[in-house]
Amino acid sequence: DTGVSQDPRHKITKRGQNVTFRCDPISEHNRLYWYRQTLGQGPEFLTYFQNEAQLEKSRLLSDRFSAERPKGSFSTLEIQRTEQGDSAMYLCASSLFSEQYFGPGTRLTVT
Amino acid sequence: AQTVTQSQPEMSVQEAETVTLSCTYDTSESDYYLFWYKQPPSRQMILVIRQEAYKQQNATENRFSVNFQKAAKSFSLKISDSQLGDAAMYFCAYRYIIQGAQKLVFGQGTRLTINP
Repeated sequence: DTGVSQDPRHKITKRGQNVTFRCDPISEHNRLYWYRQTLGQGPEFLTYFQNEAQLEKSRLLSDRFSAERPKGSFSTLEIQRTEQGDSAMYLCASSLFSEQYFGPGTRLTVT
Repeated sequence: AQTVTQSQPEMSVQEAETVTLSCTYDTSESDYYLFWYKQPPSRQMILVIRQEAYKQQNATENRFSVNFQKAAKSFSLKISDSQLGDAAMYFCAYRYIIQGAQKLVFGQGTRLTINP
């Protein structure tokens, strides 16, 4: 069991650029979640996949954000036309039952 | 709306002593899960302990135990025999299901410092 992995771990980008993050869940987990965590705060739910279906999206997820989980395995989160307010840690988690297991996160800095 | 409140932004404890972190939550549901997660500096979130709301018995995991008071909507974490490795941000989280999605709502966190 290698745990949840995320790539890249850090991303610095200029305002207006597009970025894409990848999450690889624990292999047998069919549920995958994306959260955003700003400094000093708890994570906030962004979106949820069960297998390849995206079942729930938070109002935090503006139309500049899109997430996919093709074939129900890894997932990508894309942010288009990044803004300084997008700077945060983006966390991915996966679960089989009730417990969610988190990856190390991708820290995004928008300059 | 479900909310989770951690009223202690920071706590400190002497090594080997016991510390209790507080958490309250608001919900109209009767069946739910509660969790405590630990997030060490620059490291990933780790599940510490979970509690099913339908269970009256408080969960324990080695040095970690909870005091779950369902009527009061309180869910505190007790760490016994504190160790230097326990230093981290601790987040209380409530899990509910909406439209098939399992959502975690987190509190603001408590930063725990262990004094040697």
